[in-house]
Amino acid sequence: GAGVSQTPSNKVTEKGKYVELRCDPISGHTALYWYRQSLGQGPEFLIYFQGTGAADDSGLPNDRFFAVRPEGSVSTLKIQRTERGDSAVYLCASSSTGEGTEAFFGQGTRLTVV
Amino acid sequence: DQQVKQNSPSLSVQEGRISILNCDYTNSMFDYFLWYKKYPAEGPTFLISISSIKDKNEDGRFTVFLNKSAKHLSLHIVPSQPGDSAVYFCAATGANNLFFGTGTRLTVIP
Repeated sequence: GAGVSQTPSNKVTEKGKYVELRCDPISGHTALYWYRQSLGQGPEFLIYFQGTGAADDSGLPNDRFFAVRPEGSVSTLKIQRTERGDSAVYLCASSSTGEGTEAFFGQGTRLTVV
Repeated sequence: DQQVKQNSPSLSVQEGRISILNCDYTNSMFDYFLWYKKYPAEGPTFLISISSIKDKNEDGRFTVFLNKSAKHLSLHIVPSQPGDSAVYFCAATGANNLFFGTGTRLTVIP
């Protein structure tokens, strides 16, 4: 597809379980961002990839959160031992260079931890 | 620490009138600013941007103004249309990261 694709669109999981959220960026985009958005808030930065490497992971809230982008395209956000406070919409965005260019967002994955 | 702030959570405007959405930032290293529009159950979509070397950028009904000395930018929509009703996010970027404000919900009343 032409846009950023995120799967699944919805995920319900039990507290303590492990989840993986997938992001397929726009082809050729080297920069990829993960954000988390809670109700009534703006997107909160989690991690930024430039190519295969995490250029900035300062937004990851704790060591239960991890993200990879092994081939510089698809990225997976991994959350271990999920907690109810992890419930949010997780947004992925990609851009062509990451500097001074607009980022294009996927539709998000709504994660609900029960 | 919120580096990009949108102090008005909501705004209502009559159709045909001007909508003005405001945004303030604290980091003087930001050099590119963007506005995104978000409908429910969708990701934010890019609307308009401005580089720090400019003070105005216009695209159809949308104009963004930047006041660097005040660290303030605004988005003007004129004339406002009911289809403009959405949440608008201001964003700013410096080196690598992209920081967002908390959003302003715009309602355009027919």
